[in-house]
This record gives sequence, C-alpha cells and structure tokens, in this order.
Amino acid sequence: KQEVTQIPAALSVPEGENLVLNCSFTDSAIYNLQWFRQDPGKGLTSLLLIQSSQREQTSGRLNASLDKSSGRSTLYIAASQPGDSATYLCALTEPTGTASKLTFGTGTRLQVTL
Amino acid sequence: EADIYQTPRYLVIGTGKKITLECSQTMGHDKMYWYQQDPGMELHLIHYSYGVNSTEKGDLSSESTVSRIRTEHFPLTLESARPSHTSQYLCASSEYSKGELFFGEGSRLTVL
Repeated sequence: KQEVTQIPAALSVPEGENLVLNCSFTDSAIYNLQWFRQDPGKGLTSLLLIQSSQREQTSGRLNASLDKSSGRSTLYIAASQPGDSATYLCALTEPTGTASKLTFGTGTRLQVTL
Repeated sequence: EADIYQTPRYLVIGTGKKITLECSQTMGHDKMYWYQQDPGMELHLIHYSYGVNSTEKGDLSSESTVSRIRTEHFPLTLESARPSHTSQYLCASSEYSKGELFFGEGSRLTVL
C-alpha cells in the first residue's frame, strides 16, 4: 500500500527566505504527482503537476522536482512571502485503476513571518 | 484558475435532516470526485464519477449518495444527517483519468 510522507510537518521562516518542502513515497510506480496548497477552511489549489516521465516543473517562484527511483519529490519556493503561508500537500496517482484516486501526503504547514 | 463551485460553503443543521451539497464545474470535465476531510486530517475519497450516469464509491465508506445526471453537476446527498457526518466535503474534477485535479472551495457541514 502506497504511503506518502511529508517532512517537516510544520515550518516557520522569515519573509524572503528560499525553502524546500519534502514529499516521500514508498512505491516508485506512480503515474503523476501533484502539489497543492490549502488555506485554512478552504479547498485545495493545484500548484504543479509532474508526470512520471518528467523530472521537474516550474511555475513562477515554485519549482517541483521528482525522483521516482528514490521515492522523493521536493517543492522549492523562492523568495517566500507572507501570502505563501498555507498547508502544502503532495498527492500522487498510481498507474493501476482508471480513476484519479490520489494518495495524499500528510501535509506541511508553512508560516512565513514578516 | 479552476471553475468549480460548491454550495453551500457552510451549513449547520439538526440531526435527521436531509441535505444536498451542490458541486458544479464549467470546464466540461468528465471526471468528478467527492473527498471528505476532517480538520487537520488527510483527505479521503468517498465518491467519484467517470461521466453522466456513472458513479462509484471511493475508498472511505460513506452514508452519502451522489448522482450525475449532467456533466457539469455532481451533487452529494445525505438522507438523514448525524453528528458523525460533521466534516468538510471537497468536490474536484479532472479532464481525464489520472489528470490534474481541480478542487472547489469546499462545503463545511456541522450536524448538531
């Protein structure tokens, strides 16, 4: 059974710092991996989607990498801002089955302070 | 930005009431999903649909039911709400199987 772990569970950084969030998974046979952010009491906002054949994806200040062989993905946030404060979730889809049934990570709660 | 909408955003009701949570998307996606999330906890898939007249149960057993009469609409119904149904319900859609998921803002349900 696929298990997805995110470390650290919580992180507080001062504004302007670059930071890396980690996502580890136990079964490297994945179809794709998606990073989301979730603000308190709200839905999930899709940030980046990496297909299993890709190594990384970039969107603005965000860069996500994927290393299937080591079972790891990282989300790099450059020049962090207070508006980046949220919970960040990674989720992966496995090749078997026909539905987009994601397995979610445990999440990293990020706080960017002034 | 994703065009997927959920109503109501917040709902407080008494035990035994029937409720329907609405979810609509304007992206023409065939695949739609309902997730349940308790505060600070992980998301669990409770229902999904491949298209019109297609519905399947997810990984987490739920007393709720869903219907898919139109592509853009995927409502979730609880016939008789109980306090154990108190949770946040998140609707999502994707263009194709295993594609990028887009979520609505969620419906936070409290059953007294």
